[in-house]
Amino acid sequence: NAGVTQTPKFQVLKTGQSMTLQCAQDMNHEYMSWYRQDPGMGLRLIHYSVGAGITDQGEVPNGYNVSRSTTEDFPLRLLSAAPSQTSVYFCASTSRPDTQYFGPGTRLTVL
Amino acid sequence: GENVEQHPSTLSVQEGDSAVIKCTYSDSASNYFPWYKQELGKGPQLIIDIRSNVGEKKDQRIAVTLNKTAKHFSLHITETQPEDSAVYFCAAYYGGSQGNLIFGKGTKLSVKP
Repeated sequence: NAGVTQTPKFQVLKTGQSMTLQCAQDMNHEYMSWYRQDPGMGLRLIHYSVGAGITDQGEVPNGYNVSRSTTEDFPLRLLSAAPSQTSVYFCASTSRPDTQYFGPGTRLTVL
Repeated sequence: GENVEQHPSTLSVQEGDSAVIKCTYSDSASNYFPWYKQELGKGPQLIIDIRSNVGEKKDQRIAVTLNKTAKHFSLHITETQPEDSAVYFCAAYYGGSQGNLIFGKGTKLSVKP
């Protein structure tokens, strides 16, 4: 099992560009989520999904879109990147909505 | 809304000493409290968790205690080692079957040899 994988590991964008952060898991978990981590702010939930075809907003969803077409994949889209979206992004998955297993993260810089 | 407060934000101890990190939560319905360790450049990793039907749980040198009445829980690390140096996050689960975790802001633990 690879667990939770994320690509890319690092990304630099210019303001206004769009991109997709990829997340995949091979544990057949129904529940997946995206967090952002900023210094002194801990982990904040962006979007989550309780199964294929079902997504919902978390604490800080503005500027991000998600979709869940398969159990394995849960991509996060930035439609028009802003400097405020500079952060480290973590994807997590779980078979239950409590114990979460995190990927290695994507460090995003928006200039 | 739901909130988890974590203290201290930084903690420095000598190797072999104990370290204690404390968290309080706001939602009395929360029933699951995990602790995560995050090493530099890596994702958070679950190290121990406790559910609301127990007051204490131990796993070798780490233990977690829960006081539901006071709505606080703590992480205890005994006989600290340099490899325990990391950022530790507490979290509380809320919201029923489709709920989520709320995280504390983290504690940076430094263990000096």
